[in-house]
Amino acid sequence: DADVTQTPRNRITKTGKRIMLECSQTKGHDRMYWYRQDPGLGLRLIYYSFDVKDINKGEISDGYSVSRQAQAKFSLSLESAIPNQTALYFCATSDLGEYNEQFFGPGTRLTVL
Amino acid sequence: QKEVEQNSGPLSVPEGAIASLNCTYSDRGSQSFFWYRQYSGKSPELIMFIYSNGDKEDGRFTAQLNKASQYVSLLIRDSQPSDSATYLCAVNPIHAGGTSYGKLTFGQGTILTVHP
Repeated sequence: DADVTQTPRNRITKTGKRIMLECSQTKGHDRMYWYRQDPGLGLRLIYYSFDVKDINKGEISDGYSVSRQAQAKFSLSLESAIPNQTALYFCATSDLGEYNEQFFGPGTRLTVL
Repeated sequence: QKEVEQNSGPLSVPEGAIASLNCTYSDRGSQSFFWYRQYSGKSPELIMFIYSNGDKEDGRFTAQLNKASQYVSLLIRDSQPSDSATYLCAVNPIHAGGTSYGKLTFGQGTILTVHP
């Protein structure tokens, strides 16, 4: 079984809809991250969390919110989806070690029409 | 200047050749460095990380780090068509209490094509 899972894997939605992307992990890591990837723009950090009570904004948090329901679960919400949020979204995890190796989930391809 | 820059590519090498991927970074305090491989439409996969100056070898992959020059590279020996992917360099600036703590900064990636 995969260590980091994301649901859904693909989603098509309409402008203005609320959508939630979910991430679960069995690696026992404390840190979790949400990234989006767009062609030519690389990976950009949306939000990150070092534990259940610690949530931080990344470089592109506007239009997004997150919830850390448990150590193993970290959800990303788009309150009112817009077309420029069409992208590939990745969840990642890392442990508390100093080197901060991050391990990625399989990704969610989101299309906002 | 971008925080992490990679050779722009795309890079094309023949099967069996050595592929050399380069990355420079701007934060002199950076402590650990990663190479991820990403196939089209898939998630990044960690293939190497290095934190000490010098070389680190793992099978056909060698990571090289030179902190004085703020340079990290990945060599792929005996390149195979299955190595064709985008390679992402990532840097971890460890500044406990600083704004970069616990986050990686990624380069834009270099597309590698290995042709038979």
